[in-house]
This record gives sequence, structure tokens and C-alpha cells, in this order.
Amino acid sequence: KAGVTQTPRYLIKTRGQQVTLSCSPISGHRSVSWYQQTPGQGLQFLFEYFSETQRNKGNFPGRFSGRQFSNSRSEMNVSTLELGDSALYLCASSFRGSSYEQYFGPGTRLTVT
Amino acid sequence: GESVGLHLPTLSVQEGDNSIINCAYSNSASDYFIWYKQESGKGPQFIIDIRSNMDKRQGQRVTVLLNKTVKHLSLQIAATQPGDSAVYFCAETASNDYKLSFGAGTTVTVRA
Repeated sequence: KAGVTQTPRYLIKTRGQQVTLSCSPISGHRSVSWYQQTPGQGLQFLFEYFSETQRNKGNFPGRFSGRQFSNSRSEMNVSTLELGDSALYLCASSFRGSSYEQYFGPGTRLTVT
Repeated sequence: GESVGLHLPTLSVQEGDNSIINCAYSNSASDYFIWYKQESGKGPQFIIDIRSNMDKRQGQRVTVLLNKTVKHLSLQIAATQPGDSAVYFCAETASNDYKLSFGAGTTVTVRA
């Protein structure tokens, strides 16, 4: 089985712009979660989707949003980018959710200048 | 009281020795725990998991111990190899929480 794929792998944006990141889960997995990883804050939960429904959301401002499509692929969007949004954004997929094995993609490295 | 291993941000281990990585979790309601390994430039890789109805689980060269009384989790790696050099994270979740909460991570360096 192919693993979790994320596109793009690297991205450079300017403050004030917006960005959309994409995640394709492992085939058959219906749960997709997003995490932000920074040296200072570590791995922090952004949101989780299952069958196109958001089941949980982390403590991030409304500039961070996401969605899931009927084929389980997911996107996250960050509007009005700030320097502090520079991070590695990780997507993880699971058959049912966080209480089952979650497999992570390689991440998208976002740099905001 | 019982002695609980401290979380260390870094661990240096001689090749061939056993490694022990400690983690304290915060949520008493957590019932599923996972250890991940993250190598440079990659996403976290699943190592082993354990549910709260168990106190020990073994995999290939790895063992996870869970002490719910003191909310402590540990990962033991037997016969540590150079390929084990990475950052190790523990994560916890509760049923119907739909999110993982991660620990700070321990950087393991294996000395040849």
C-alpha cells in the first residue's frame, strides 16, 4: 500500500498570503488529522476529519481551516499568513481515528517570509 | 513512593546497549498510547502502541511499559543500533477525543 502523501513538500510564502496544503491518506483510511510541528511548540494538533466531518479542532486561530473530500483526501488552508506560521505541517491517516494506528506523511515545510 | 524515570530531552547510547526513553502523560482519561520515531526530514513513524488495559507490550527489539498510577510511559529499545538515532515521541489519546497529544520528544544518539 502506498503511504500518506502530502503536496507540496516545500513552500515559501510571504506574510499576508494564503496557502493550501494537500494530503492523500492511505487507501481505505477514512480519518485524516493535521498537526503543526515547530521547534518551540513541538507537535500540535490542528484538526481531524472523518467521512468529511470535522470531529475535533485544536487551539489555533480561525485562519487555519480544513476540509475533507468524499475520497478521504484532505486539504488545509491558512489565510493571512504570519511569520509564526512557518512550520512543518504533518498529515496523518487512520482507519477510524486517533485511537487506532495513525500513519504520518512526510510533511509540508512552509516558510513564511 | 515509586521511582519514576525522568524525561530527558537527549539520550546518548553506546551501540549494542539498551535504551530507555521515558514519558509522563497528562490526561488521566487517556486510554491509548503510542511511540513514534522521527528521523530528520521525515514524518513520525509508528513504532508501537499500548492500550490502557495493558501494562506491557513487546515488539521487535522494543518494549513499551505503561504505569497508569503515576501516568508514566517508557520505551525500551534492545541492542540499540545506529539506525535507531532519531527523535522519539510519546503520544496519548482518549476514546472519542479524535486527536493525539504529543510529548516533547527525546533525541537519541547512538555512539559507535
